[in-house]
Amino acid sequence: QKEVEQNSGPLSVPEGAIASLNCTYSDRGSQSFFWYRQYSGKSPELIMSIYSNGDKEDGRFTAQLNKASQYVSLLIRDSQPSDSATYLCAPLSNSGYALNFGKGTSLLVTP
Amino acid sequence: GAVVSQHPSRVICKSGTSVKIECRSLDFQATTMFWYRQFPKQSLMLMATSNEGSKATYEQGVEKDKFLINHASLTLSTLTVTSAHPEDSSFYICSATGGSLDSGNTIYFGEGSWLTVV
Repeated sequence: QKEVEQNSGPLSVPEGAIASLNCTYSDRGSQSFFWYRQYSGKSPELIMSIYSNGDKEDGRFTAQLNKASQYVSLLIRDSQPSDSATYLCAPLSNSGYALNFGKGTSLLVTP
Repeated sequence: GAVVSQHPSRVICKSGTSVKIECRSLDFQATTMFWYRQFPKQSLMLMATSNEGSKATYEQGVEKDKFLINHASLTLSTLTVTSAHPEDSSFYICSATGGSLDSGNTIYFGEGSWLTVV
């Protein structure tokens, strides 16, 4: 599998702050990128996807993509304790079907 | 929205026995299904990709004779762990899609199945 690197954390931020989650990937052929949130013992749930360089905003979430740097990030504004989870970065493989998951970054939002 | 259902959610089996996990797409035709395995505090590792009516494609290092995958219909894929051993204890997750993700399709995850081999 292609390499997907994420800082395992835990990343601790106070409630209301901005959480910044980063991801680098090795496959230059990747064109589509997905961020998933996974609570302990549960399966992943999709937060958002991004396909083009730049920023994409959806509510409190902003994904940023820089294909030249092979870097994708997720910003969470006004972080809530319920945002505490592991965030998985998943570039789409060249097949267009399979996702290559990073190990995830554990986020802890403290009240 | 679309739902992918996995069953059982938890299973305990004895070492040496086989266990089957089902993955069903409830309201769409899943042309492609994926099986992942996740050990504690590790990432989801893709085990195999299956297309309806054809043999599954296994990732490097995954024993196809041990992890039998059947995708006999557009709504059902099964993973059978044969001759299970304690090291096979893990969280198994399926996902399904009706087409390639870069064509605008979405991938949906099942709830996952916890397998414990004793």
